[in-house]
Amino acid sequence: IQLTQSPSLLSASVGDRVTLSCKGSQNINNYLAWYQQKLGEAPKLLIYKTNSLQTGIPSRFSGSGSGTDYTLTISSLHSEDLATYYCYQYNNGNTFGAGTKLELK
Amino acid sequence: EVKLVESGGGLVQPGRSLKLSCAASGFSFNDYWMGWVRQAPGKGLEWIGEINQDSSTINYTPSLKDKFTISRDNAQNTLYLQMSKLGSEDTAIYYCARGYNLAYWGQGTLVTVSS
Repeated sequence: IQLTQSPSLLSASVGDRVTLSCKGSQNINNYLAWYQQKLGEAPKLLIYKTNSLQTGIPSRFSGSGSGTDYTLTISSLHSEDLATYYCYQYNNGNTFGAGTKLELK
Repeated sequence: EVKLVESGGGLVQPGRSLKLSCAASGFSFNDYWMGWVRQAPGKGLEWIGEINQDSSTINYTPSLKDKFTISRDNAQNTLYLQMSKLGSEDTAIYYCARGYNLAYWGQGTLVTVSS
């Protein structure tokens, strides 16, 4: 299953509501996770099974979607959220999306 | 505290083999699927493969299936990645991660393939 993330680069301001998209080439059956990776660090799991918030992750992060279309939303952007975000499907032949880099406008 | 520590990376010549290790602590290792992911310099994440709790199921991304072998030793709480016929395209940071949803990650070990 191929995953297409959009946009590849997103410029936003602190306080903005931010939406990242991930589209699969086939049905993912909600086995979709989101990771945040800051420069020089390992990825960190934010959301699993489409909309389950990983322990310790702030509630401003949320996930939604079904079928082939999934979304990560940050309700109010904090400066520490600047990072690259990857979606990952573990339904069939696990794959990552190419990432969305989130930068400050 | 869940801790994953990769080791075994370094500089290796093209065509050679290398075995990476991932030492796990802070959780019951034999209760979890484990996986490997890599990231080439400046690039995105690539899933390598995963292994279930008793090693009866091992899945790989198709392009690496004939080059890489994943194994585990539950008595030693250690995950392994055996890599063979290495090429420059295998230069990357290699991460191990816990669970089929990759909930926890190590800090990675850098493998550089160069003559």
